[in-house]
Amino acid sequence: KQEVTQIPAALSVPEGENLVLNCSFTDSAIYNLQWFRQDPGKGLTSLLLIQSSQREQTSGRLNASLDKSSGRSTLYIAASQPGDSATYLCAVRADRGSTLGRLYFGRGTQLTVWP
Amino acid sequence: KAGVTQTPRYLIKTRGQQVTLSCSPISGHRSVSWYQQTPGQGLQFLFEYFSETQRNKGNFPGRFSGRQFSNSRSEMNVSTLELGDSALYLCASSSLLKRTGWIAEAFFGQGTRLTVV
Repeated sequence: KQEVTQIPAALSVPEGENLVLNCSFTDSAIYNLQWFRQDPGKGLTSLLLIQSSQREQTSGRLNASLDKSSGRSTLYIAASQPGDSATYLCAVRADRGSTLGRLYFGRGTQLTVWP
Repeated sequence: KAGVTQTPRYLIKTRGQQVTLSCSPISGHRSVSWYQQTPGQGLQFLFEYFSETQRNKGNFPGRFSGRQFSNSRSEMNVSTLELGDSALYLCASSSLLKRTGWIAEAFFGQGTRLTVV
């Protein structure tokens, strides 16, 4: 059974710092990995999608890497801002036909960026 | 392009009642999946529908059911509500588009906050 772990569970930093959020998964047979952001009481916003054949994806100040063989992904946030404060969730999609539609989520990293 | 729409946004129900939640996926998306989010358990998979067929089901009791219509809109139903069913219910749609292959990026709605009293 796929298990996804995110470290740290919470992070509080001053504005301007560069951050690394970690995600690990137990089954390397994944189709893709997606990073989401969730604001309190709201839905999930997709940040980055990495296909299993890719090593990294970038969007603005965000960079996500994937090491499928070791079951790890990192989300790098450059020059953090108070508006980045949210919970960041990592999810993997299994590479098996019968479960291809299912995402396995970590518990998230709650990020607070203070001015 | 409209996003994933979930209705209603908020619901308050009494124990023992039943409830139906609705999800309209992004136009062209044929896969719709449902998740329950609680502070204690995080995001848990309920079920996934593709072209009106349930393909996957999570570990939830039979009180939780769903369906998908020919226009890909989906509903989930919870019967005999319990206090523990209070949660944020999230719907996600995924596409089979893209020239380069199946990308399968999931897009989520804003959720329905269900409170059972």
